[in-house]
Amino acid sequence: SQTIHQWPATLVQPVGSPLSLECTVEGTSNPNLYWYRQAAGRGLQLLFYSVGIGQISSEVPQNLSASRPQDRQFILSSKKLLLSDSGFYLCAWSALFNGSPLHFGNGTRLTVT
Amino acid sequence: QQPVQSPQAVILREGEDAVINCSSSKALYSVHWYRQKHGEAPVFLMILLKGGEQKGHEKISASFNEKKQQSSLYLTASQLSYSGTYFCGTEIDNTGKLIFGQGTTLQVKP
Repeated sequence: SQTIHQWPATLVQPVGSPLSLECTVEGTSNPNLYWYRQAAGRGLQLLFYSVGIGQISSEVPQNLSASRPQDRQFILSSKKLLLSDSGFYLCAWSALFNGSPLHFGNGTRLTVT
Repeated sequence: QQPVQSPQAVILREGEDAVINCSSSKALYSVHWYRQKHGEAPVFLMILLKGGEQKGHEKISASFNEKKQQSSLYLTASQLSYSGTYFCGTEIDNTGKLIFGQGTTLQVKP
């Protein structure tokens, strides 16, 4: 069966520090991969989307970047965090066929102080 | 481009019914529904593909009106476990990218 791992679960970082969040998927090949962010009490905002290694689509201009160095690995990064980067970051995967649901990781709660 | 959900919040007693609506300004390829408990990741409920189908899942079902670009989620005989925030996610271009609504918070009381 397929599983998605996301870490760390919580993170407190000072403004101006770098960020690296990692997500890996097991049990499937060539998944679509996604990064979403959820501000406190708000909806899910799509940040990045990837259909393959090295193929990243940025949905919202911002202080973040994403990379997919391996088929089942997706990394969210920032060189210098802003206070507004605080939130709940969710990695998700879906299969390539039509009508495939999103499967979310457990999320990383990031607080920028 | 973000779909609009209504109502924003619902409070029910156990056994009561609820309807959550999701409306898009763009033609839709599919609509997904997810439920999120506080502090947890969203969990998939169901997908509706264009074609106007209706799906059922125990006491939770949904419909998709392609012409009106709307979907509705029906919760019947609600249980305490139904409490949470419900999100619709809309796909407009068959790429798998979902844009989510702002969510509807459902609270079921004993």
